[in-house]
Amino acid sequence: NAGVTQTPKFRVLKTGQSMTLLCAQDMNHEYMYWYRQDPGMGLRLIHYSVGEGTTAKGEVPDGYNVSRLKKQNFLLGLESAAPSQTSVYFCASSPSPGLAANTGELFFGEGSRLTVL
Amino acid sequence: EDQVTQSPEALRLQEGESSSLNCSYTVSGLRGLFWYRQDPGKGPEFLFTLYSAGEEKEKERLKATLTKKESFLHITAPKPEDSATYLCAVQGPHNYGQNFVFGPGTRLSVLP
Repeated sequence: NAGVTQTPKFRVLKTGQSMTLLCAQDMNHEYMYWYRQDPGMGLRLIHYSVGEGTTAKGEVPDGYNVSRLKKQNFLLGLESAAPSQTSVYFCASSPSPGLAANTGELFFGEGSRLTVL
Repeated sequence: EDQVTQSPEALRLQEGESSSLNCSYTVSGLRGLFWYRQDPGKGPEFLFTLYSAGEEKEKERLKATLTKKESFLHITAPKPEDSATYLCAVQGPHNYGQNFVFGPGTRLSVLP
């Protein structure tokens, strides 16, 4: 059981280039999230999705776009990368909050380290 | 605005030397407080959920407690394999997807 898988794990971009990070989960979770983690700061929510075909903005959405065309996949796009987007990006998933078994736990991938030069 | 702070920023212990990590929070209507462990180069791994003041949860050498303003993660007789960054997060009452607020973490090193 793979859980949450992120690709790629590492990427170096030049300012202005575009790229897409892929997140895939095999736990049939409804909710999926993209966070960024920077030194000295907590995980910050970029965008999230509460189901296939839905997306919503989080705390720091500027410069990013997302899509959830399939329930198991959540894509994070950078259209024109900037040095301020150098970070480690984490995807997470969780079951619907209404389920009795839901403890509020987020299931995280191993992260994608992005450097923008 | 919901906020989470953690102290200390970093902690070095000798193997067997017990200690506590602190998570202080401000949230309007706590739905849950979460502790995660994060190893270098890995994603956070869930440890505990606490829902109300006075609640305690234990797992091996770790015990989490909760008051109305803070949570403690007590580590009893730690081993080198307990070395990791420990993250605290709170969940407020607002729409589900947006209401996890994470602290910056405490980096724990346990020396043999």
